[in-house]
Amino acid sequence: AQKVTQAQTEISVVEKEDVTLDCVYETRDTTYYLFWYKQPPSGELVFLIRRNSFDEQNEISGRYSWNFQKSTSSFNFTITASQVVDSAVYFCALSERQGGSEKLVFGKGTKLTVNP
Amino acid sequence: DSGVTQTPKHLITATGQRVTLRCSPRSGDLSVYWYQQSLDQGLQFLIQYYNGEERAKGNILERFSAQQFPDLHSELNLSSLELGDSALYFCASRDYTDTQYFGPGTRLTVL
Repeated sequence: AQKVTQAQTEISVVEKEDVTLDCVYETRDTTYYLFWYKQPPSGELVFLIRRNSFDEQNEISGRYSWNFQKSTSSFNFTITASQVVDSAVYFCALSERQGGSEKLVFGKGTKLTVNP
Repeated sequence: DSGVTQTPKHLITATGQRVTLRCSPRSGDLSVYWYQQSLDQGLQFLIQYYNGEERAKGNILERFSAQQFPDLHSELNLSSLELGDSALYFCASRDYTDTQYFGPGTRLTVL
């Protein structure tokens, strides 16, 4: 079965530091999607990025960047020059095919605290 | 704002009771997913509907049921509630890129 591991339970940094959140996944599917979601203290789940298993290009969006390495089954997320507003729980997720449908398998999440 | 709406935002009830959570997907999305987020289990997939039909089932208890109506909104029914059912329940809808967008969640507290 698919599995997502986020080994870092909690990370605390000072504002303007760079921080990397790790995500390692297991799947037997050859085609799959990987996702990152952000859950701020208000509780909603905010979509950040979707990555197709065939696309190993790294992606940058402002201060956010993602490193996808199929060889190590990792999809890490880096925040550059962190800000207090980045404080949240971040979830990595993997799509799992089940019959003709897909569901998301989530990691346990990494709680990031950015201190001023 | 993801475009997915959920009501109510908070629900407090007693053990043994039944509640209904409601979700409206984003305009144009036909798939609705329900997830439960609890401290011990994390985010767990419960059930998926596509255009009114059940498509996939996850770790959903027999006391729980769901349906999707012709207007595509979905309801999750939780009955014979137990203390352990206290959790945040999310609804998500999936777009053509297979991305799931989540609603704000319903926080259920069972006393």
